[in-house]
Amino acid sequence: GENVEQHPSTLSVQEGDSAVIKCTYSDSASNYFPWYKQELGKRPQLIIDIRSNVGEKKDQRIAVTLNKTAKHFSLHITETQPEDSAVYFCADLNYGGSQGNLIFGKGTKLSVKP
Amino acid sequence: DSGVTQTPKHLITATGQRVTLRCSPRSGDLSVYWYQQSLDQGLQFLIQYYNGEERAKGNILERFSAQQFPDLHSELNLSSLELGDSALYFCASSVGLAGVGHEQFFGPGTRLTVL
Repeated sequence: GENVEQHPSTLSVQEGDSAVIKCTYSDSASNYFPWYKQELGKRPQLIIDIRSNVGEKKDQRIAVTLNKTAKHFSLHITETQPEDSAVYFCADLNYGGSQGNLIFGKGTKLSVKP
Repeated sequence: DSGVTQTPKHLITATGQRVTLRCSPRSGDLSVYWYQQSLDQGLQFLIQYYNGEERAKGNILERFSAQQFPDLHSELNLSSLELGDSALYFCASSVGLAGVGHEQFFGPGTRLTVL
């Protein structure tokens, strides 16, 4: 079945630095890649997503890049702030295919030190 | 607030028991998904329903079952509970099948503790 690998599992950065989280997927038919943020004790929330026909998408300090050939996608957070501290999950989906559910990576715990 | 509600918020029970977790999706959402999140673990997909019918199955144990009712709320039944079933159980909903334009909105979760 489909597998999503996410690295690193933990990431610590200084406030103001950039953070990068990478995910690789195995199903070449995957065409939708969302990123979720989960703060401690709270629900996961979608922060950004990208379709397979787009190479990069930005939303203020957050960006996602996709390399379909290499089957990997990355989350980039610039000018990190303490409130960015959370667990981030990547996921993929074959939208329109027989797979009807998101497959999540194991998560990256990001700590932003003031 | 995502609009997805889950009850109860916390549940403490003993091994061998059976519990039912309830989820009400956002108004208008037809898909419901169940996930299990153990300590320091990611989100393990269990099962998905779309408009009352099972759509996809993940790593759901045979001791677990779910259903989606005509009013679109869903219940996850966990039986013969074991210590290892202790986890946070999330429900999510989306308008249609997950994907472009069909974001999954997560509920607040039910924390199950099996003693």
